[in-house]
Amino acid sequence: GAGVSQSPSNKVTEKGKDVELRCDPISGHTALYWYRQSLGQGLEFLIYFQGNSAPDKSGLPSDRFSAERTGGSVSTLTIQRTQQEDSAVYLCASSLRISGNTIYFGEGSWLTVV
Amino acid sequence: GNSVTQMEGPVTLSEEAFLTINCTYTATGYPSLFWYVQYPGEGLQLLLKATKADDKGSNKGFEATYRKETTSFHLEKGSVQVSDSAVYFCALSDEGGSTLGRLYFGRGTQLTVWP
Repeated sequence: GAGVSQSPSNKVTEKGKDVELRCDPISGHTALYWYRQSLGQGLEFLIYFQGNSAPDKSGLPSDRFSAERTGGSVSTLTIQRTQQEDSAVYLCASSLRISGNTIYFGEGSWLTVV
Repeated sequence: GNSVTQMEGPVTLSEEAFLTINCTYTATGYPSLFWYVQYPGEGLQLLLKATKADDKGSNKGFEATYRKETTSFHLEKGSVQVSDSAVYFCALSDEGGSTLGRLYFGRGTQLTVWP
């Protein structure tokens, strides 16, 4: 596609429910990243993929968070048993390769946990 | 470790004023440096970048020079416009070791330009 596409753009969920956020990177980009942007916390790195593998999961805030990528393309970020502190904008980004290339961001998925 | 510190906002300027947003960094390897901009209601967009010392990135009238001696990458624009109102993020990408490809961001600086 022309740019990084994320869905849903907005999601309101009840505390304790699971949510899935989807990211469709730019076609041909092998590297994919997830970041979280919350008020007062700035931009927080969550996880990245090189192809389908995720060598760095250090940024995931708890074991309620998981992410997968299949076919070297679409990625899903899953948050189980959501909490109010999970409310944030979840940003996906992609780049041609993991090193030395510009990283392009999607418009984000706004998650509100009530 | 890797980190970015940028000027706290908000910054409020009149149209045609000179803009500087300070950014300093620490890095363990050989970083590339970036400025991203987030306009209201939109996603992050790359504004400019520099990949090695003394490089100058420029775009849309904005400039930033990679200064290794002062570990800085300050953003400047000679004459701001109302349409420049946005949040600006300084970031680095450390191309070495386990942090390969990951972007480290500053906390962002809100710029508001009044007509």
